[in-house]
Amino acid sequence: NAGVTQTPKFQVLKTGQSMTLQCAQDMNHEYMSWYRQDPGMGLRLIHYSVGAGITDQGEVPNGYNVSRSTTEDFPLRLLSAAPSQTSVYFCASSYSMGGASYTFGSGTRLTVV
Amino acid sequence: AQKVTQAQTEISVVEKEDVTLDCVYETRDTTYYLFWYKQPPSGELVFLIRRNSFDEQNEISGRYSWNFQKSTSSFNFTITASQVVDSAVYFCALSEVNRGSTLGRLYFGRGTQLTVWP
Repeated sequence: NAGVTQTPKFQVLKTGQSMTLQCAQDMNHEYMSWYRQDPGMGLRLIHYSVGAGITDQGEVPNGYNVSRSTTEDFPLRLLSAAPSQTSVYFCASSYSMGGASYTFGSGTRLTVV
Repeated sequence: AQKVTQAQTEISVVEKEDVTLDCVYETRDTTYYLFWYKQPPSGELVFLIRRNSFDEQNEISGRYSWNFQKSTSSFNFTITASQVVDSAVYFCALSEVNRGSTLGRLYFGRGTQLTVWP
């Protein structure tokens, strides 16, 4: 099925560990982004990309890295996990910026202990 | 300052009641889009509606209706004859088109938890 695929769905990390959250879409969307959802905070933008090779920071980028080597994939890397990064992470894509409808992945629930 | 404010943190209603979820937004753009998403207990985000700033017509889709008023910067969502399956967190979101630095970003409100009791 066409859409946004996130892996893994659940992950527990120890403080200081690193990991990569995967995001792939098969809709040939240029625009991809990562959000984190925390209780009572809504969703906040971490990083986004307007096309392969182009990324930029969002509202809460600290502690995260991204790269966009292909149109399909937009992985999110946690360099040294901290308990403050315990959250639910959503990847989204759209065919354009601004007014397009965004397709969200099913989310990754990350716990850092 | 929050670009999107959902003042109602939690709402509880009994089945078949009508319920309105409020959304107030803030932007200086003349062109922007507003969205509503539903997040059921399973956790995924379900797209409900997108409305652009030039279209102030109210929209109805089954039991759902949306009231967009630019004069009050509001985009409220009403569920008529609520059902238990409507229980979810509902998010309102804003996307600005004109501003280069924020183009493409979705600004979310903090969400409203709706619980519909049988």
